Amino acid sequence: SAVISQKPSRDICQRGTSLTIQCQVDSQVTMMFWYRQQPGQSLTLIATANQGSEATYESGFVIDKFPISRPNLTFSTLTVSNMSPEDSSIYLCSVDTSGRGTDTQYFGPGTRLTVL
Amino acid sequence: DAKTTQPPSMDCAEGRAANLPCNHSTISGNEYVYWYRQIHSQGPQYIIHGLKNNETNEMASLIITEDRKSSTLILPHATLRDTAVYYCIVTRGISNFGNEKLTFGTGTRLTIIP
Repeated sequence: SAVISQKPSRDICQRGTSLTIQCQVDSQVTMMFWYRQQPGQSLTLIATANQGSEATYESGFVIDKFPISRPNLTFSTLTVSNMSPEDSSIYLCSVDTSGRGTDTQYFGPGTRLTVL
Repeated sequence: DAKTTQPPSMDCAEGRAANLPCNHSTISGNEYVYWYRQIHSQGPQYIIHGLKNNETNEMASLIITEDRKSSTLILPHATLRDTAVYYCIVTRGISNFGNEKLTFGTGTRLTIIP
């Protein structure tokens, strides 16, 4: 298993600004992921954060809107850029500790973002 | 990934076994069945997974039918803390590094009643 922390836990932001969310893991992991959970909805994968290379984005998500960094094997950031009220969601990071490409993922507590 | 069908909600009395069904009739031979749950205001939590055989761990048991078209997650002695949304996910895993992913459906909202 893994212990995952996210900062901030919540934030209220103004339209047009950007917010960077941090994800810290207590051990080195190969794969890290970022998800979005809109109010009352299920989770949607935004991207896979690759260490040392550009993130792999899912359909409907682009790097200009959600730039991701992965400087090492224990840390990643997701930036929500030029925010609008539609970006109000919970943003979660997760990790796969197996290194074998399984789907046993461990999730952080999430960052609750409200955009006014 | 194969699509899954779950009832939107279920109730279970505290102390009883909670049996959560999942249909995945289009599952293919190399796809696993995974279960996660999400307690209110928390991130999802991995529960259990299986391929063909029934599986048991400290949290739950997973019963997969012989034809693998459906499965049941069993919480043997439900407590109030088991109130959550339970997600059944079928996936080949992400060994292709990005070609597969966890696809969360709407899940089953399980309410444990005192």
